[in-house]
Amino acid sequence: SQQGEEDPQALSIQEGENATMNCSYKTSINNLQWYRQNSGRGLVHLILIRSNEREKHSGRLRVTLDTSKKSSSLLITASRAADTASYFCATESFDRGSTLGRLYFGRGTQLTVWP
Amino acid sequence: KAGVTQTPRYLIKTRGQQVTLSCSPISGHRSVSWYQQTPGQGLQFLFEYFSETQRNKGNFPGRFSGRQFSNSRSEMNVSTLELGDSALYLCASSLQGDSNYGYTFGSGTRLTVV
Repeated sequence: SQQGEEDPQALSIQEGENATMNCSYKTSINNLQWYRQNSGRGLVHLILIRSNEREKHSGRLRVTLDTSKKSSSLLITASRAADTASYFCATESFDRGSTLGRLYFGRGTQLTVWP
Repeated sequence: KAGVTQTPRYLIKTRGQQVTLSCSPISGHRSVSWYQQTPGQGLQFLFEYFSETQRNKGNFPGRFSGRQFSNSRSEMNVSTLELGDSALYLCASSLQGDSNYGYTFGSGTRLTVV
């Protein structure tokens, strides 16, 4: 399976602290994306990093990608209670013929930020 | 612009029944992908439609089917419902079915089979 795996499964922190989530995957990828999901609702796209990029920033988010280790990390700085959600990494494979319109998702990290 | 609209938001069905879920993509988007999300299996890809054609299919039984109309709206159908079909069903809209122009997800349909 190409499905990624997030680590940790659950993370609980105080407001103001940084939250780091990791993702590992198994195959060559075009890109890796991070999504957020609030309480069983839809997925919201956070950030995309391409296979030839090593780091990307968006506001309080920082994503790194290490293709040699097939891993990525998502850092949320200065966390807020409103950041409480599940976070998923998703990959899009190089093998376009079999992966059109398809993302491979990890199992997610449940982040809880306490006020 | 309007987002991705999934209807209905919630649905309760009995085992053995069938159900149809609807997804209206962002205007101009031609690709619609469907996913099933359960606590046990996570997010699983069902299928993808582009310009009324199914281009990709996940590993689900034939009870799961879909279609796409000329206006890009898509429906998925599950026949002979089983308890294990209880899940959140999400659709994702994109311009061409890849990440170059991004995927936008709907809020999902929560299906409960009793």
